[in-house]
This record gives sequence, C-alpha cells and structure tokens, in this order.
Amino acid sequence: DAGITQSPRYKITETGRQVTLMCHQTWSHSYMFWYRQDLGHGLRLIYYSAAADITDKGEVPDGYVVSRSKTENFPLTLESATRSQTSVYFCASRDVTTGGRDTQYFGPGTRLTVL
Amino acid sequence: GQQLNQSPQSMFIQEGEDVSMNCTSSSIFNTWLWYKQDPGEGPVLLIALYKAGELTSNGRLTAQFGITRKDSFLNISASIPSDVGIYFCAGRGNSGGSNYKLTFGKGTLLTVNP
Repeated sequence: DAGITQSPRYKITETGRQVTLMCHQTWSHSYMFWYRQDLGHGLRLIYYSAAADITDKGEVPDGYVVSRSKTENFPLTLESATRSQTSVYFCASRDVTTGGRDTQYFGPGTRLTVL
Repeated sequence: GQQLNQSPQSMFIQEGEDVSMNCTSSSIFNTWLWYKQDPGEGPVLLIALYKAGELTSNGRLTAQFGITRKDSFLNISASIPSDVGIYFCAGRGNSGGSNYKLTFGKGTLLTVNP
C-alpha cells in the first residue's frame, strides 16, 4: 500500500523486555520521525532521521534506539521497556517539494502498553 | 524553545454551527499546518499554509496564516457529526539547521451534537 504504515498497531509487553516498533514509507521521503503522544504533553519528538544512516535525537530520546539502514524503514526500539513508555507512538515522514511545500505525514500509530 | 498556544482546548457545538479555533506562537513561523486526528488513528493533514496572510480552503475548512507570522486560525463551516475529533496546529520556524522540526499545539477536541 502507498503511504506510511506502522506495525504492530497494538502491543502489550512487560517491563524490561525489548520491543521494536516498525515504520515503513513508500514515498522515498528523506526525513522520517518518531513521536510519542501522551495526555497533557501532546506530540513529542523522540528521534528523527535526515536520510539513511543519519539519525539524531529529538526532545525525549532516553530509553529509545533507532536505526535507518534503508530509506523506507525507520524502526524504533525500546531496549528495556518501562511503564513510563506506555504511550501511542507515531511515525511520520517529511515531504519537501521543489516548490517549497514542506509537510509531514503521519502513520496510523502503535499503541504500546508496558505492564 | 518555541511555544504554541492552541485554543480552545475543547468545544461542544450543535450540528450546522460554524467553528473557529486558533494557534498563537511566541516566535515567527514560516509554515503552519493543520491536522485532524480521529480516535485510534494518526493525524491527517488538512491544510498547509506557507505565506503570511495566506488564506486556504479545503471543502468546509478554511485556514489563515496570520500577518504577524505568529498565529493561524482554522474555521469549519456548517459542522457535521463526522467533524468530531482532535484538531492540531503545527508550526515550523527557520532557526538555524532545525527547519525540519514542527512545534505542535496541544489540540482542540471538537464534539458535534447531531
């Protein structure tokens, strides 16, 4: 399917376990992002990637690891999940046109519960 | 850092009424984006604004980029039940090398009574 997809859509895990959330986009956008959404905080940037093999920290990176070996994929790993990482996670990609139009498109989200 | 204030936080309206919400920033933005989020889904882009004073429509939705470049508003005319959801504004500045970064408002929760 065209666009940006995330998997799984729902995940329940236990404290201390490693979890990987997947993100795939079919547009070949250079920039990709991971956000978490929590009540009272809105959307917060975890990590972003400007291109394959280029990643950098966002606002709340602690406890997360990312990689980007291919342009279309941007997985997010929680190395040792904690309850505070219970959240809804959104992946996004940035579309910049030659005309200067610059937007971000979001995936459907992964709802993660850490018990 | 940049701050975005979105208001109102929530609105309860009757079907058919018009709706207005706005975002104000503590600093200048070069881009304003408006998103809608349905329950259990990701934000969907509604309208993108790139120039001060720009007024853009998407069906019953109209958004404007404020002249000062520190605010934007979104209007919905003749609301219908499927307009229910959370509406987010997002702004992009041009501070050094971080022009990729969006600053998000906290959202306006819209409820439409049939």
